[in-house]
Amino acid sequence: DQQVKQNSPSLSVQEGRISILNCDYTNSMFDYFLWYKKYPAEGPTFLISISSIKDKNEDGRFTVFLNKSAKHLSLHIVPSQPGDSAVYLCAASRRGDDMRFGAGTRLTVKP
Amino acid sequence: KAGVTQTPRYLIKTRGQQVTLSCSPISGHRSVSWYQQTPGQGLQFLFEYFSETQRNKGNFPGRFSGRQFSNSRSEMNVSTLELGDSALYLCASKAAGGGLNTEAFFGQGTRLTVV
Repeated sequence: DQQVKQNSPSLSVQEGRISILNCDYTNSMFDYFLWYKKYPAEGPTFLISISSIKDKNEDGRFTVFLNKSAKHLSLHIVPSQPGDSAVYLCAASRRGDDMRFGAGTRLTVKP
Repeated sequence: KAGVTQTPRYLIKTRGQQVTLSCSPISGHRSVSWYQQTPGQGLQFLFEYFSETQRNKGNFPGRFSGRQFSNSRSEMNVSTLELGDSALYLCASKAAGGGLNTEAFFGQGTRLTVV
């Protein structure tokens, strides 16, 4: 049962533009959401998180938006840089339990 | 502060053998989770340990087992290896567990190849 879905396997954007990565979830009990960046054959690196009591969290160029009614969250990267090229994983958890991950979206930022 | 350390980084085993992977969490972290990543799949949750007790378990067969020691270091064991067990095994540590939301930090992973 795929409780966290990232329906776009890949995304390509031009350097300096905005990257928007999307994630949907089915379990309304999830109350904590995270984004990770991953390179091949390496462990994911934590980027940013958001609690279900908020609808927005910002950290530098990265902003995560949460729409609880739609069970949808998105990660905005502005401006996008070539170094941002990687696989981005969306994850969700409930009350500190184990995280459930989406399949990931491969972002390519072209110079 | 040292990050999450997984050993070994690479491992080749033959079908039917067993394997033990090790994970040392960030100092002070008491929660350790294990994940499996196979080509084309997302990260699949195996199990989580907190204070030497298994708190959660994913949908994997009993061949997959784990344990946690008093210093929070964790080991994962896979018995009777199958070709399909070839994967990147990732360990993640968290500062807390038991109802508290906090980010998890991952190790570099152990690449297991079963031939």
